[in-house]
Amino acid sequence: DQQVKQNSPSLSVQEGRISILNCDYTNSMFDYFLWYKKYPAEGPTFLISISSIKDKNEDGRFTVFLNKSAKHLSLHIVPSQPGDSAVYFCAASAKLGTALIFGKGTTLSVSS
Amino acid sequence: DTEVTQTPKHLVMGMTNKKSLKCEQHMGHRAMYWYKQKAKKPPELMFVYSYEKLSINESVPSRFSPECPNSSLLNLHLHALQPEDSALYLCASSLREGAGGWDTQYFGPGTRLTVL
Repeated sequence: DQQVKQNSPSLSVQEGRISILNCDYTNSMFDYFLWYKKYPAEGPTFLISISSIKDKNEDGRFTVFLNKSAKHLSLHIVPSQPGDSAVYFCAASAKLGTALIFGKGTTLSVSS
Repeated sequence: DTEVTQTPKHLVMGMTNKKSLKCEQHMGHRAMYWYKQKAKKPPELMFVYSYEKLSINESVPSRFSPECPNSSLLNLHLHALQPEDSALYLCASSLREGAGGWDTQYFGPGTRLTVL
């Protein structure tokens, strides 16, 4: 049973526009959520995170929104750049565990 | 600096071979992790070391044997692997055992393992 779901396998966006990547989770014990970006043949790179006590965290072009009642989070990238093209993984962890539970990833393609 | 290095980048081995994967970090992190990632799948946790002691073993077969010789190094010894063990093996580290905030996990580039 998938605890972290990224239902869109791919997303295509034009350069300069907003990219919105979505993630849903089922485990109410999750209290920390992270987004990682992965290029082919490289390891995941940490992008941004959010604690369950917040509903928004912003870092430059990247903003993560958390809706606990809907068990949903999203990553907004504004403006999108061609270098943002990569696979984006949503991950979550629970207070009592250290395992990062990853979603299956969304491949973002930003065209110029 | 959030660099985790892994060697080798690629490894091809037969089912009777013994090989080792190496991971290194010099960020003063005291927790280190091994993950396995199959094609088109998310990374899955295998082992966690905290302060050089094995903290979590996610029911990994004994043909995978982790070792943490010191706080900067993490090895994964491989013996009698099966073709289905072919995958990208990722190492990660964090300040302490955890997953968020100060304990954010930083990943290395991975070792692409092929078992023939």
